[in-house]
Amino acid sequence: QKEVEQDPGPLSVPEGAIVSLNCTYSNSAFQYFMWYRQYSRKGPELLMYTYSSGNKEDGRFTAQVDKSSKYISLFIRDSQPSDSATYLCAMSNGGYNKLIFGAGTRLAVHP
Amino acid sequence: SAVISQKPSRDICQRGTSLTIQCQVDSQVTMMFWYRQQPGQSLTLIATANQGSEATYESGFVIDKFPISRPNLTFSTLTVSNMSPEDSSIYLCSVLASGKYEQYFGPGTRLTVT
Repeated sequence: QKEVEQDPGPLSVPEGAIVSLNCTYSNSAFQYFMWYRQYSRKGPELLMYTYSSGNKEDGRFTAQVDKSSKYISLFIRDSQPSDSATYLCAMSNGGYNKLIFGAGTRLAVHP
Repeated sequence: SAVISQKPSRDICQRGTSLTIQCQVDSQVTMMFWYRQQPGQSLTLIATANQGSEATYESGFVIDKFPISRPNLTFSTLTVSNMSPEDSSIYLCSVLASGKYEQYFGPGTRLTVT
């Protein structure tokens, strides 16, 4: 079993839809949770960063962490074609511990 | 966030040769990392580049194949040695700033080995 599970998709939604992206994990020591967006042929771009449980909102993006269920989510409101990319979840124990990545979910938002 | 550049952005190399990839950051950072992203796959950590000492390699990666240097707090190199077609990947450097837990990534180097 992988430490971090993420459905690779692809996920196709119409413009304006609410998108829900999810990851589950097995290591209860993870405390730092990140979402990266990666456009084709580009490096990953940090979108959201959350410590421990709770919600964090930034514009159209909301990150949720439920440590009791070992489940994290990224919601995208009013999705746009420019949101079409691969979204990677990543997590770590903190400090200098390495990031563990999910497989990435490919999202396509069509006009 | 730090601004990270990588050179070259892409290269096509023949098997048996070596390629050195450079990573430059616009500010001093605590930690630098090297990742590999094979086609259609997620990111796999190769090693942590330690300033002033030998890199720390992950399981499955060895220094003879992926020698790493980090001469100062803003620069690192990764060499892919004796390349084979299986080394065709995107190689990414990332950084962790002092007192932070978020990692930021460079644009990547797309390597094709023929």
